Amino acid sequence: GAGVSQSPSNKVTEKGKDVELRCDPISGHTALYWYRQSLGQGLEFLIYFQGNSAPDKSGLPSDRFSAERTGGSVSTLTIQRTQQEDSAVYLCASILGGGSTDTQYFGPGTRLTVL
Amino acid sequence: AQTVTQSQPEMSVQEAETVTLSCTYDTSESDYYLFWYKQPPSRQMILVIRQEAYKQQNATENRFSVNFQKAAKSFSLKISDSQLGDAAMYFCAYKWGGSNYKLTFGKGTLLTVNP
Repeated sequence: GAGVSQSPSNKVTEKGKDVELRCDPISGHTALYWYRQSLGQGLEFLIYFQGNSAPDKSGLPSDRFSAERTGGSVSTLTIQRTQQEDSAVYLCASILGGGSTDTQYFGPGTRLTVL
Repeated sequence: AQTVTQSQPEMSVQEAETVTLSCTYDTSESDYYLFWYKQPPSRQMILVIRQEAYKQQNATENRFSVNFQKAAKSFSLKISDSQLGDAAMYFCAYKWGGSNYKLTFGKGTLLTVNP
């Protein structure tokens, strides 16, 4: 597609349930990021994928969070046993080559609400 | 660790007027990049302008320009001839020019444009 897409747009879940958030990066982009945006805050880095290299998971807040990127394209962020503090907008971004000068292109995000 | 500070949680401007959004950052690096992103209610983060630290000339994109003061670690965004469509949350972001590919974001400034 023309841009980064994310699904679902909104997700409401109950505390303790697992959720999966999907990101489709721009075709041909080799690197992909996940960020979390809590209310009134800037974006918090979660995880980074670059090609076939091992992902940088240093931003994941707990072991309840995990992410995969299959075939170097689509990525799924999974949150297990959701907590109310997980409520946030989850943004995905992709870049063309993974170089330091590349611009990140963002998707519209998934708004997660944990009741 | 790098930090980005946006001291103005909210700003307002009259249509057709000029407004300046402030951003300061802290880093010990000399090679880095600075960005301003716009996030309208649609949540889509859109790159407004970028500045390479090694360039002395301030970046300009149509009605958007920056005042980059490297010694003062200041990176303000000026919006000229403000339009209603400029209303959004604006985020300042920093990225190291080395192998660290993460963006560090400020907490944002909510810009309101009054007709």
